[in-house]
Formats: sequence, C-alpha cells, structure tokens
Amino acid sequence: NAGVTQTPKFQVLKTGQSMTLQCAQDMNHNSMYWYRQDPGMGLRLIYYSASEGTTDKGEVPNGYNVSRLNKREFSLRLESAAPSQTSVYFCASSEAGWWPQHFGDGTRLSIL
Amino acid sequence: ILNVEQSPQSLHVQEGDSTNFTCSFPSSNFYALHWYRWETAKSPEALFVMTLNGDEKKKGRISATLNTKEGYSYLYIKGSQPEDSATYLCAFNEFGNEKLTFGTGTRLTIIP
Repeated sequence: NAGVTQTPKFQVLKTGQSMTLQCAQDMNHNSMYWYRQDPGMGLRLIYYSASEGTTDKGEVPNGYNVSRLNKREFSLRLESAAPSQTSVYFCASSEAGWWPQHFGDGTRLSIL
Repeated sequence: ILNVEQSPQSLHVQEGDSTNFTCSFPSSNFYALHWYRWETAKSPEALFVMTLNGDEKKKGRISATLNTKEGYSYLYIKGSQPEDSATYLCAFNEFGNEKLTFGTGTRLTIIP
C-alpha cells in the first residue's frame, strides 16, 4: 500500500537550474495538491488539481508550474530555481475537495 | 487569503495530564474543518473532518468539537502519552472551494 509517493526525497540545486518533483498516488483519488512548508509559515498551497486535466493556482504559485499527467500523477516544475524556493515540498491527494488529504513523505529541496 | 489561527503555538504537558488547543477560522462560508497530526520527520495524517455545527469526533483519547457559528474548533487529548508529541494542524474548507487553508499548528511536547 504505497499511498502517495514523492520523488526525489532530497535535492540540492544551484540558482537558475530547473527540476521536476514527481508525485504519484495509487488510491484512485480525484484531487491532488502541492504544498510547501517553511518554518513558521505552516503548509501553503502552491497548485492543486481537482481532476485529471485541470489545475488551479493556490496561495504561492509564482515560480512553479504543474502538470496533471493522468489521474495518478501530478508533477511540480521549477523552471529557474531561486534560493527563496528552498523548502520542504509535500504532495497530497484526496477523493475530493473536503475529504481528508493523504500526504507523501515530502521532498527537501535546497537551492544554493 | 483566509485567516486560520491556532493557539497556543507550542505546549508542554506532563505525561498523564489532559490538554486542549484551539483553531479559529472564518465563520462565513464554512464547509469543513480538518484536524491533522504531524509527527517529526513524518508527513501529516488526517485525524478528523467535521462539517456540521456542534459536531464532535473521537478517536481513542483524542476528540474534537466544532462551532461554525463562532468559528472555532477545539482538539482535546485525554491522559497524554509520549507518543502524542506532534504538531497538530487544523485546516479550513470554504464552501465551494476545493482548497484547504492550514493554520500554522500547535506543537505539543509530552514530558515523561
């Protein structure tokens, strides 16, 4: 029972590099989310997808793009990484908007 | 941006004592209120989702109440145990909105 799987778990980038964080869920959930977690800020929503083929901005979308590749997968892309994007990134999924969310283990991203 | 506040920010409780903490959220356009438990080095896990005013939920020694008219929820832990040490997050669903807005959490430490 994998649940929500995020890769990679850790990554160090240089300013200006790009990378894609991968997320996959095996619970047949409709909704998927990307959050970032910073000290003292709690979890902040970057983007979410209510269903396959749809995406929408959250609270802090600038500098990120997302793709809902299919019902299982929701990726987050940093096109040109900046030190301000150093954070822990969590992917989550749920049956629908108000249902409990299931979280992945997180990706710790450092940008130098 | 919706305002979801949790108090206190942190709390130290002697093993065996009971404790409670608060989540405040907007009282208009309420749809659901979530509680999550987040242990260090793990990912958040859903405890409860409450949708009705007056709702009470219980899971073992942990329970929660909801007052949507005044915009608050309490989480109670009875007879605290060391394994209860974690950060407890609440999150608010606005009516018609797939997104969750998280509070910054209450960090609970149980002293053996």
